[in-house]
Amino acid sequence: KAGVTQTPRYLIKTRGQQVTLSCSPISGHRSVSWYQQTPGQGLQFLFEYFSETQRNKGNFPGRFSGRQFSNSRSEMNVSTLELGDSALYLCASSRAGRNDGGYTFGSGTRLTVV
Amino acid sequence: ELKVEQNPLFLSMQEGKNYTIYCNYSTTSDRLYWYRQDPGKSLESLFVLLSNGAVKQEGRLMASLDTKARLSTLHITAAVHDLSATYFCAVEVTRGGADGLTFGKGTHLIIQP
Repeated sequence: KAGVTQTPRYLIKTRGQQVTLSCSPISGHRSVSWYQQTPGQGLQFLFEYFSETQRNKGNFPGRFSGRQFSNSRSEMNVSTLELGDSALYLCASSRAGRNDGGYTFGSGTRLTVV
Repeated sequence: ELKVEQNPLFLSMQEGKNYTIYCNYSTTSDRLYWYRQDPGKSLESLFVLLSNGAVKQEGRLMASLDTKARLSTLHITAAVHDLSATYFCAVEVTRGGADGLTFGKGTHLIIQP
């Protein structure tokens, strides 16, 4: 079955611009969560969506936002990009709630801010 | 605030040897995960540990969970070069009805012939 699909794979943006990343979860998975990975801070939780609602949010500024559509696909948006936003952004899908299957991660979007 | 500590953060070992990676966490957890990451790649799920005393094995890797000690271990038996990667443990705590993962900093494992 198809895995978690993230687009685009690579992105280069200029400081001050905004960017939108997309994540299509595994069919049947209703929860999508987003993570930022940097060499300095490691893997950090951004937010999680379930049934088009943000259920939880990590400790990131309001420039980071997201949404989820009725087909469970999710987008995250970063406005007013800063150099420190350069990172690998990973999304993970799961069936939702307490499940034994855990989380399946996509291949990620590598964002470079110049 | 939940803290997840892995050690060691860097490990260089020879093929054929055994070693253990430790993952300590600071609060009661619902479950614990182990992931593998190759350079430039995403996270590959290795184990999901759901309860105290859980032990899972896949090939040369075995993971265990002691919820009372808030400790999980990933044991590598007779290491081979293909196991070279970065290994992450992640702890899941349900917050306000939602789930999220808190990751350790990862253990960068190099296995030399």
